[in-house]
Amino acid sequence: QKEVEQDPGPLSVPEGAIVSLNCTYSNSAFQYFMWYRQYSRKGPELLMYTYSSGNKEDGRFTAQVDKSSKYISLFIRDSQPSDSATYLCAARAAGNKLTFGGGTRVLVKP
Amino acid sequence: ETGVTQTPRHLVMGMTNKKSLKCEQHLGHNAMYWYKQSAKKPLELMFVYSLEERVENNSVPSRFSPECPNSSHLFLHLHTLQPEDSALYLCASSQDLVAKNIQYFGAGTRLSVL
Repeated sequence: QKEVEQDPGPLSVPEGAIVSLNCTYSNSAFQYFMWYRQYSRKGPELLMYTYSSGNKEDGRFTAQVDKSSKYISLFIRDSQPSDSATYLCAARAAGNKLTFGGGTRVLVKP
Repeated sequence: ETGVTQTPRHLVMGMTNKKSLKCEQHLGHNAMYWYKQSAKKPLELMFVYSLEERVENNSVPSRFSPECPNSSHLFLHLHTLQPEDSALYLCASSQDLVAKNIQYFGAGTRLSVL
């Protein structure tokens, strides 16, 4: 079983829709949770960073972590074509390496 | 720009060639990483350096040889690679190895082994 599972997509939505992305994980020791965005032919860039359970909002982006169900979510409101990218969730426990999901490809159609 | 620069951006090599990938970070960080990203697979951590000392080697074949001459530079030396080594190789850096610290990635080197 992979430590962090993520649906590869692609997830296609019309412009303006809400994009909903999810990951599940198996390691209960994970404390730090991240979402990276990766455009084609680019490296991953940090989008959201959350410590432990709870919600975090930054502009059109909301990250949620539910440690009781080992579930990580990212919501993108008012999606734009420029949001078309691959979104990687990642998690880390103290003293351990950063573990990534396989990424979900998102396509926002004008 | 994230402050992590990788060269070359693209590399095509034969199975008998020797080449090197270079990474430079301009962020004043003390930890640097090499990752491999293959199609439809999660990023795989290859090597971790902290203050120029290798602290992790995740069962990577010896045909990949890392070098960290100082805290700003990281190299990955390649020799006698296999076609299955074709992938995007990403370098990252972080302030140090503390779990809460964010890793910043370069744009990667797209490697094709013929």
